[in-house]
Amino acid sequence: DAMVIQNPRYQVTQFGKPVTLSCSQTLNHNVMYWYQQKSSQAPKLLFHYYDKDFNNEADTPDNFQSRRPNTSFCFLDIRSPGLGDAAMYLCATSRARGRAEAFFGQGTRLTVV
Amino acid sequence: EDKVVQSPLSLVVHEGDTVTLNCSYEVTNFRSLLWYKQEKKAPTFLFMLTSSGIEKKSGRLSSILDKKELFSILNITATQTGDSAVYLCAVSNAGGTSYGKLTFGQGTILTVHP
Repeated sequence: DAMVIQNPRYQVTQFGKPVTLSCSQTLNHNVMYWYQQKSSQAPKLLFHYYDKDFNNEADTPDNFQSRRPNTSFCFLDIRSPGLGDAAMYLCATSRARGRAEAFFGQGTRLTVV
Repeated sequence: EDKVVQSPLSLVVHEGDTVTLNCSYEVTNFRSLLWYKQEKKAPTFLFMLTSSGIEKKSGRLSSILDKKELFSILNITATQTGDSAVYLCAVSNAGGTSYGKLTFGQGTILTVHP
């Protein structure tokens, strides 16, 4: 089945230690998104790619970076995780610019110790 | 700033009850409203609404949008324990060349007891 896959499902990292979360998709969608969802809060968009064009939300901290080496893969890098970065990180795709429906991966729950 | 507000924040019912979840929004470039169901995993898509007054229906779930009053409701009839989840409402600006940012509400936690 075509889908969006995130790895790992659970990630524990130490305060200040760089961590990378990954997302892959078999849908061949042009647009990929990273959302952060803290406990009991709404998912919040961090950035998105339209093909290789990277778009950062204005309030996304510099500590968060992303890479999209090809259509299928997208990575979220957190350079120096703080306790406040503990959250569920959701990757999503949509078919093209202008298409509202987003397909989500299962998420990676990040714990910072 | 775009805002999506859902109510109630949580709801506890018994199997067989009917529930109505509410979503109101204030956004600068509305194109569509989407409902998602989130269990302990990825949000799964339920409905997308773009036109006022047209009900979308899927089994026991239905939803309608009022673009004049800026709200949507999600109805679930004859609830089952499997309906227990967080229901997320999101507004999209996707259309034309706009990429499709989803602005989410905080969700309604629905718990259905046997």
